[in-house]
Amino acid sequence: KNEVEQSPQNLTAQEGEFITINCSYSVGISALHWLQQHPGGGIVSLFMLSSGKKKHGRLIATINIQEKHSSLHITASHPRDSAVYICAVRQETSGSRLTFGEGTQLTVNP
Amino acid sequence: NAGVTQTPKFRILKIGQSMTLQCTQDMNHNYMYWYRQDPGMGLKLIYYSVGAGITDKGEVPNGYNVSRSTTEDFPLRLELAAPSQTSVYFCASSTGTGVSNQPQHFGDGTRLSIL
Repeated sequence: KNEVEQSPQNLTAQEGEFITINCSYSVGISALHWLQQHPGGGIVSLFMLSSGKKKHGRLIATINIQEKHSSLHITASHPRDSAVYICAVRQETSGSRLTFGEGTQLTVNP
Repeated sequence: NAGVTQTPKFRILKIGQSMTLQCTQDMNHNYMYWYRQDPGMGLKLIYYSVGAGITDKGEVPNGYNVSRSTTEDFPLRLELAAPSQTSVYFCASSTGTGVSNQPQHFGDGTRLSIL
């Protein structure tokens, strides 16, 4: 079993829909990251959080440390949101190194 | 600032050839990382460095070598290319751990095929 599990693996939505991507982990962590990988391959960091909730534009990330679970929400989704969304955790015992989930492929149709 | 720059973007190698994937960053980050990304799999850490002159193995180091002679550069060397090393390689950098807990900044990737 992977230490970081994402669901769903693939998600197709219509423009305007509310999107939720889930991440569960089985290890103690000091931080959780959400990353976006564009169709061209580049990876950018969206959020880094260790508690509570963060919001940036139409993106919201939440984390529940007790339940070892995080969600990434996209409101009013748009075709340009189509990308792979990756959850990664910084384990308490691994310094700066990250452990990655397999990613969720999101496609938003117009 | 250019951020993290990787070269080349694409490369095809024959089995047994060697090559170096270049990575340079201009953000004065101490921490640098090499990952490989295989289809349907999460990124796997190959090697990382916490500063010039210091490197350490990640999850999948076999078949690779690294060096860190300067803060800016972190090249990844494949000595005897094997088909199993066909992958997309990403270099990343960060300021490291601590209260600030900074994110990692990624290069655009190198797509490598071994035939």
